[in-house]
Amino acid sequence: KNQVEQSPQSLIILEGKNCTLQCNYTVSPFSNLRWYKQDTGRGPVSLTIMTFSENTKSNGRYTATLDADTKQSSLHITASQLSDSASYICVVGDRGSTLGRLYFGRGTQLTVWP
Amino acid sequence: EADIYQTPRYLVIGTGKKITLECSQTMGHDKMYWYQQDPGMELHLIHYSYGVNSTEKGDLSSESTVSRIRTEHFPLTLESARPSHTSQYLCASSEEGGQGGLSYEQYFGPGTRLTVT
Repeated sequence: KNQVEQSPQSLIILEGKNCTLQCNYTVSPFSNLRWYKQDTGRGPVSLTIMTFSENTKSNGRYTATLDADTKQSSLHITASQLSDSASYICVVGDRGSTLGRLYFGRGTQLTVWP
Repeated sequence: EADIYQTPRYLVIGTGKKITLECSQTMGHDKMYWYQQDPGMELHLIHYSYGVNSTEKGDLSSESTVSRIRTEHFPLTLESARPSHTSQYLCASSEEGGQGGLSYEQYFGPGTRLTVT
């Protein structure tokens, strides 16, 4: 069964600190892995997309890593800001269908305190 | 920022009413999607479309229906709303993508928060 598991479920950090969010998946055949940021009451916004040939990708203070062998990914946030408070969703795409089906994790709820 | 719009943003409606959630995109994307998301839970695909006159059901069974008469417009309709339909509904669109490791960006609208009383 194709699944995406994220940890921790929630995280509280102080402004200026770094944090790392984890994602494990069982989706096969693997096509790509993406991280989305979803603010409360809004739609998800893409942060990074990685294919199986990429093992790291950065977008400003966000750096995603991918280990396709162990089927794990992480999202590292550097020098956190209050605006980073949101849910971070790991999404894995398969290449076993023409649709390019996406499988969503439940997200990690990050709260940044001043 | 993605050019994909949803209306209304919030809707509170009584049981048995017919409702239509609107979704429009100005990016010329062929593929469009409807997702349902409950608080703290993952997004579930309920409908998708490859293009005009194409509609398919997604992974999660839904009593809603969709239509795709124009490329830019993908409305979702509930003929008779029930409290179990209370949820957030997210519309998305993407460029033509496919297999073989090709990645494609999927753009989401802001969502419609539906409450059925």
